[in-house]
Amino acid sequence: NAGVMQNPRHLVRRRGQEARLRCSPMKGHSHVYWYRQLPEEGLKFMVYLQKENIIDESGMPKERFSAEFPKEGPSILRIQQVVRGDSAAYFCASSPNGEVDTEAFFGQGTRLTVV
Amino acid sequence: EDQVTQSPEALRLQEGESSSLNCSYTVSGLRGLFWYRQDPGKGPEFLFTLYSAGEEKEKERLKATLTKKESFLHITAPKPEDSATYLCAVQEDNYGGSQGNLIFGKGTKLSVKP
Repeated sequence: NAGVMQNPRHLVRRRGQEARLRCSPMKGHSHVYWYRQLPEEGLKFMVYLQKENIIDESGMPKERFSAEFPKEGPSILRIQQVVRGDSAAYFCASSPNGEVDTEAFFGQGTRLTVV
Repeated sequence: EDQVTQSPEALRLQEGESSSLNCSYTVSGLRGLFWYRQDPGKGPEFLFTLYSAGEEKEKERLKATLTKKESFLHITAPKPEDSATYLCAVQEDNYGGSQGNLIFGKGTKLSVKP
């Protein structure tokens, strides 16, 4: 029973390139959350998705960032025209439903470095 | 202003030396308070959820308690394998029931020496 799978684990992009981060939730989980962890900072909520729907994107920067969770396949966090400030660890979590007492399982994260 | 503040930032203990980590929060209404453990290079691992003042939960050497303004994570007789960063997070009462929009503190980095 695989956990939340994120890939790649490490991603290096030059300024101006696009970064695509993938998250496959645990089997049976239909809720996905993305968080960003900057150096010396706490985890910051970015977006909450269910299959084919964005439920809450209040933590997403207004420009360059987008997320999707298609009917088939992993959830994708896309960052266009990356800048050095985008360098961070990006974590995905999944849960089977939206209840507050449901444990959300985190993946190992993708560490993005913009050079 | 930070809504979730953890202290101390770092804590070094000798094996067997019990201590407590603090998490203070300022939200209008608390739906739940969560504790996670994070090892270097890994994602957070869920430990506890607390919902109301006075509630306590235990897991092995860890015990979490909750008041109206703060939570404590008590570590009894810690071992070197307890070394990790411990994260506290809260969910405000105006959110629709999911664990999605958690507000995290910056964590306490615990080191336990043998």
